[in-house]
Amino acid sequence: AQSVAQPEDQVNVAEGNPLTVKCTYSVSGNPYLFWYVQYPNRGLQFLLKYITGDNLVKGSYGFEAEFNKSQTSFHLKKPSALVSDSALYFCAVRDSWGGSQGNLIFGKGTKLSVKP
Amino acid sequence: DVKVTQSSRYLVKRTGEKVFLECVQDMDHENMFWYRQDPGLGLRLIYFSYDVKMKEKGDIPEGYSVSREKKERFSLILESASTNQTSMYLCASSPAPLLHNEQFFGPGTRLTVL
Repeated sequence: AQSVAQPEDQVNVAEGNPLTVKCTYSVSGNPYLFWYVQYPNRGLQFLLKYITGDNLVKGSYGFEAEFNKSQTSFHLKKPSALVSDSALYFCAVRDSWGGSQGNLIFGKGTKLSVKP
Repeated sequence: DVKVTQSSRYLVKRTGEKVFLECVQDMDHENMFWYRQDPGLGLRLIYFSYDVKMKEKGDIPEGYSVSREKKERFSLILESASTNQTSMYLCASSPAPLLHNEQFFGPGTRLTVL
């Protein structure tokens, strides 16, 4: 069965410092991986995805993520955090073999807090 | 830009009432989804639809039903609302093929059942 884990409920960083939000996954086939961000009282916004190809994926708002097959990870990163990056971040995975009818499985979310 | 709209941002209902949550997307997407979001549990899929009049159960369908009579509209129905259905409800849509494409989310409906 496919699953995704976000091991940290909350990540705190100072503005200007690099940030990492962690995500690990488990699938039967090849993974399709997604990151979403949710600002307070809003729906989820798509940030980036890995389907195939380059392991380093660049997305919206200066975010990037690195796919690591051996560690089954897809950590979200940004070189320099902004206060406006404070939000809830969700990692999601889909199994290329169509497990769970091809639907996305979401992690529980990580709250990112960036202090000035 | 893809736009997914939900009929209400906030809704307060009484136990036992029938509740309708409406979702409309304007990008001719084949796939539509209903999730509920609860703190510490992430997003859980209630139902999804990959075509008009088609529906499939997600992970937590109990107590809910759905309707998709037109491609752009996907409705979630709580037949008899209960307090444990107090939650944030998120609608999403995505184009085919399902596997490669991201989902586009509406702003959410925060439902309180008293």
